[in-house]
Amino acid sequence: KNQVEQSPQSLIILEGKNCTLQCNYTVSPFSNLRWYKQDTGRGPVSLTIMTFSENTKSNGRYTATLDADTKQSSLHITASQLSDSASYICVVSAYGGATNKLIFGTGTLLAVQP
Amino acid sequence: NAGVTQTPKFRVLKTGQSMTLLCAQDMNHEYMYWYRQDPGMGLRLIHYSVGEGTTAKGEVPDGYNVSRLKKQNFLLGLESAAPSQTSVYFCASSPGRGENTEAFFGQGTRLTVV
Repeated sequence: KNQVEQSPQSLIILEGKNCTLQCNYTVSPFSNLRWYKQDTGRGPVSLTIMTFSENTKSNGRYTATLDADTKQSSLHITASQLSDSASYICVVSAYGGATNKLIFGTGTLLAVQP
Repeated sequence: NAGVTQTPKFRVLKTGQSMTLLCAQDMNHEYMYWYRQDPGMGLRLIHYSVGEGTTAKGEVPDGYNVSRLKKQNFLLGLESAAPSQTSVYFCASSPGRGENTEAFFGQGTRLTVV
């Protein structure tokens, strides 16, 4: 069964600190892995997309890594800001059918406190 | 540049009532999707469309119907609403199904069925 699991479920950090969010997946056949940021009451917004051959990808203070062998990914946030408070969702795309299937994790809820 | 726009943002329905959620995108994307997001669960695909005039079932299609009469619009209908359909609904669009194809989400519709 295709699954995406994220940890921790929630996280509180102080402004300016770094943090790392984890994603483990069992998805086949693998197409790509995405990280989305979802602010409260808004739709998800893409941060990074990584294919099988990519190990790391950055988007400003966000850096995602992918280990396709162990089927793990992480999202590292550097020098956190209050605006980073949101849910971060790991999404794995599987090949197949008329459209690749997106399997969503349940997200990590990050709260950045002053 | 509006991107993906959903109407309405909030709605309360009585059990048995019907309604239509509208999704409009101005990016000329071929693919459009309807998801629902429930607490403790990842987004789940309801229906999708790979082009004007086409629709297909996703993971949780029961109780919903869709239509894609125009390329820019994707409608989600509930013929007889049930409390189990209380959820936040997200529409998304993408230009295709390539490995680096990004999906863009609307801001969501919060539906409560009483």
